[in-house]
Amino acid sequence: KAGVTQTPRYLIKTRGQQVTLSCSPISGHRSVSWYQQTPGQGLQFLFEYFSETQRNKGNFPGRFSGRQFSNSRSEMNVSTLELGDSALYLCASSATGTSSQETQYFGPGTRLLVL
Amino acid sequence: DQQVKQNSPSLSVQEGRISILNCDYTNSMFDYFLWYKKYPAEGPTFLISISSIKDKNEDGRFTVFLNKSAKHLSLHIVPSQPGDSAVYFCAATFSARQLTFGSGTQLTVLP
Repeated sequence: KAGVTQTPRYLIKTRGQQVTLSCSPISGHRSVSWYQQTPGQGLQFLFEYFSETQRNKGNFPGRFSGRQFSNSRSEMNVSTLELGDSALYLCASSATGTSSQETQYFGPGTRLLVL
Repeated sequence: DQQVKQNSPSLSVQEGRISILNCDYTNSMFDYFLWYKKYPAEGPTFLISISSIKDKNEDGRFTVFLNKSAKHLSLHIVPSQPGDSAVYFCAATFSARQLTFGSGTQLTVLP
């Protein structure tokens, strides 16, 4: 089975622009979660999608949004980029996201640099 | 507020010896705990987990211990190998909510 894939792997943007990142979960997985990793804050939860619906949301401003398609692929969007948005954005998938014991599998991440 | 804490940013161990990575948590609702390993330029890889109803789980060279009364868990790697050098993240969850991660510990295994 192919793992979680994320595109693009690297991205450079300037302040004020917007960006869209893509995540394809493991085949058959329906839950997709997004995390932001920064040196100062570690890994922080952004949001989780299941069956095209946002099921859970972390403590991030409204500039961060996401969506999920019927094939479970997910995108996240960041509008009006700020320097502090420079981070590694990680996507994780799990089968249903309904059990604590269900492992989340991570993709390689998208490294975003905002200049 | 940091609900999951890894107080040691780094740890160096000789090859063949035991590596012990520690993690503390504050939220008593957490019912499942996990360890992930992360190499540079890769996403975190699941390593081992433990349910709150257990106090130990073993998988090969890796053992996780949970002390609920102290809200503390640890990961033991025996014997340590140079390929184990990576950043290790402790994570916790409850009721299938999102993972809450610690800040990570960089483990370096010296040959």
